Amino acid sequence: KAGVTQTPRYLIKTRGQQVTLSCSPISGHRSVSWYQQTPGQGLQFLFEYFSETQRNKGNFPGRFSGRQFSNSRSEMNVSTLELGDSALYLCASSFGTSLPHQETQYFGPGTRLLVL
Amino acid sequence: GENVEQHPSTLSVQEGDSAVIKCTYSDSASNYFPWYKQELGKRPQLIIDIRSNVGEKKDQRIAVTLNKTAKHFSLHITETQPEDSAVYFCAASMSTGANNLFFGTGTRLTVIP
Repeated sequence: KAGVTQTPRYLIKTRGQQVTLSCSPISGHRSVSWYQQTPGQGLQFLFEYFSETQRNKGNFPGRFSGRQFSNSRSEMNVSTLELGDSALYLCASSFGTSLPHQETQYFGPGTRLLVL
Repeated sequence: GENVEQHPSTLSVQEGDSAVIKCTYSDSASNYFPWYKQELGKRPQLIIDIRSNVGEKKDQRIAVTLNKTAKHFSLHITETQPEDSAVYFCAASMSTGANNLFFGTGTRLTVIP
């Protein structure tokens, strides 16, 4: 089975621009979560999508948004980029059940975003 | 929300020795505790996980123990090898119905040949 894939792998943007990142989960997985990884803040949860609906959201400003398509692929968007948005953005997929808090999450390789 | 603390932040061991990484969590509602290994430039990979109805779980050289009363869990790696060198993250998930992992700050393990 193919693993979680993310595109693009690297991005360079300037302040004020917006960016869209894509994540394809493992086949059969219906839940996609997004995390931001930085040296200073570590791994922080952004949001989770299940069956095209945002099921949970972390403490990030509204500039961070996402969506999920009927094939479970997910995108996240960051508008009005700031220097502090430079990070590795990881998505993780899980099967998607009635016990989401106990599901194993499998991570993609991440998209490294650099904001200049 | 949940707060996960992880110690030590760096750990160096000789090849063949054991390594122990400890994590504490704050919310007694947490009941799922995975451990991830992240090599430089690579994705976090699940190496072992434990659920709150189990006190210990072992997979070859790796074991995790959980003490729900004290709200801490630990990763034990025995007979360490150079390829075990990586950053290890512990995480906790609360039983609120949300698929949201709270991560520790990571431990950089170096195994010296």
